[in-house]
Amino acid sequence: DIQMTQSPSSVSASVGDRVTITCRASQGINDWLAWYQQKPGKAPKLLIYAASSLQSGVPSRFSGSGSGTDFTLTISSLQPEDFATYYCQQSNSFPLTFGGGTKVEI
Amino acid sequence: EVQLVQSGAEVKKPGESLKISCKISGYNFSRYWIGWVRQLPGKGLEWMGIIYPDDSDTRYSPSFQGQITISADKSISTAYLQWSSLKASDTAMYYCARIKGLTAMLGLDYWGQGILLTVSS
Repeated sequence: DIQMTQSPSSVSASVGDRVTITCRASQGINDWLAWYQQKPGKAPKLLIYAASSLQSGVPSRFSGSGSGTDFTLTISSLQPEDFATYYCQQSNSFPLTFGGGTKVEI
Repeated sequence: EVQLVQSGAEVKKPGESLKISCKISGYNFSRYWIGWVRQLPGKGLEWMGIIYPDDSDTRYSPSFQGQITISADKSISTAYLQWSSLKASDTAMYYCARIKGLTAMLGLDYWGQGILLTVSS
């Protein structure tokens, strides 16, 4: 199985900050990586697919980059509604796997 | 409008069987993979398995292989997740979700609201 390692596991930030979350795959996954946002008590929401493609309706302050084994999710200017937990997920090969999550908090 | 509507919360005893559902509307059910995701209380997301409803091609995570069965009924646009013998450790939130695009490679773009399963004696 491909292991997905996210860092940091949590980050404290303020409104307006630039936040970067990293996801590393245990082997190359080309650019078959997605990012999700999950708020408490809610289903996850797709933010980024294919490493850098913005899902429809997602604000442009979210961006993704990377290829191979190293990927990043960047929030350019953190907004109050962005405080949540973020997950990466690889879909290069079965079984599909998620990272452990990064909690963005005040 | 794409919608995935899951059946309601369940409270079961260890050893009991269960089949939960995910009713899809708003697109051609047969042509997109559907996945199931587990979230243990206070923990992260775990991919359980996926099914392609058109031909019922099913792939399981090794962590769940033999523990669950994923199925789909094209006639009523519904996907299912079932257990034959529940354990307390199955207590979790379970989500169904559609995989974006016609392959299994672009992420999960529409999600059900989740089903909270509690297994307790």
